Amino acid sequence: AQKVTQAQTEISVVEKEDVTLDCVYETRDTTYYLFWYKQPPSGELVFLIRRNSFDEQNEISGRYSWNFQKSTSSFNFTITASQVVDSAVYFCALMDTNAGKSTFGDGTTLTVKP
Amino acid sequence: NAGVTQTPKFRVLKTGQSMTLLCAQDMNHEYMYWYRQDPGMGLRLIHYSVGEGTTAKGEVPDGYNVSRLKKQNFLLGLESAAPSQTSVYFCASRNGGVVNQPQHFGDGTRLSIL
Repeated sequence: AQKVTQAQTEISVVEKEDVTLDCVYETRDTTYYLFWYKQPPSGELVFLIRRNSFDEQNEISGRYSWNFQKSTSSFNFTITASQVVDSAVYFCALMDTNAGKSTFGDGTTLTVKP
Repeated sequence: NAGVTQTPKFRVLKTGQSMTLLCAQDMNHEYMYWYRQDPGMGLRLIHYSVGEGTTAKGEVPDGYNVSRLKKQNFLLGLESAAPSQTSVYFCASRNGGVVNQPQHFGDGTRLSIL
């Protein structure tokens, strides 16, 4: 069975601080896909970033960056120079190759204070 | 671009009543999913479909039924609603032709069972 753990339940930062959200996963699959989604107070789910299990290159996209380490089964997500609009619940998700079923972590609530 | 549309957005039911939640997508996606989200938790997969006429059970299928008579629609039914089914329900669709495609989510249906 797959499992995703987001140990940080809530994080509070002041605007312009950098913040890293942690994600640890468990799977027996050799091929899988990892995602981060954002759920703002309005409730919708928005796709942010993805990573394939066979590609450990870390990337930066604007203020977002991610650190995927297969050896430690971690897929951490960093927001640089946080803004109030970044306040949301962030979900890490692990998707299998069998019909693309996803297992979600319980989410990390990020509050960015002005 | 409508994307994924869920109907209704809100509903209050009495215990024992039945109802159907409708999910419609206009992206010609093969795969569709129903999740529930409870307070402080991530999304849990109820049922999913890999194509028209096919459905399969997810992590928490008990008390729900689904149908995929048309490719663009995925219906979630509650035959006899129970208070434990009070939740926010999300529908998602995904392009099955590309393995690492994210899921596209609807805005959710907030369902209360009294």
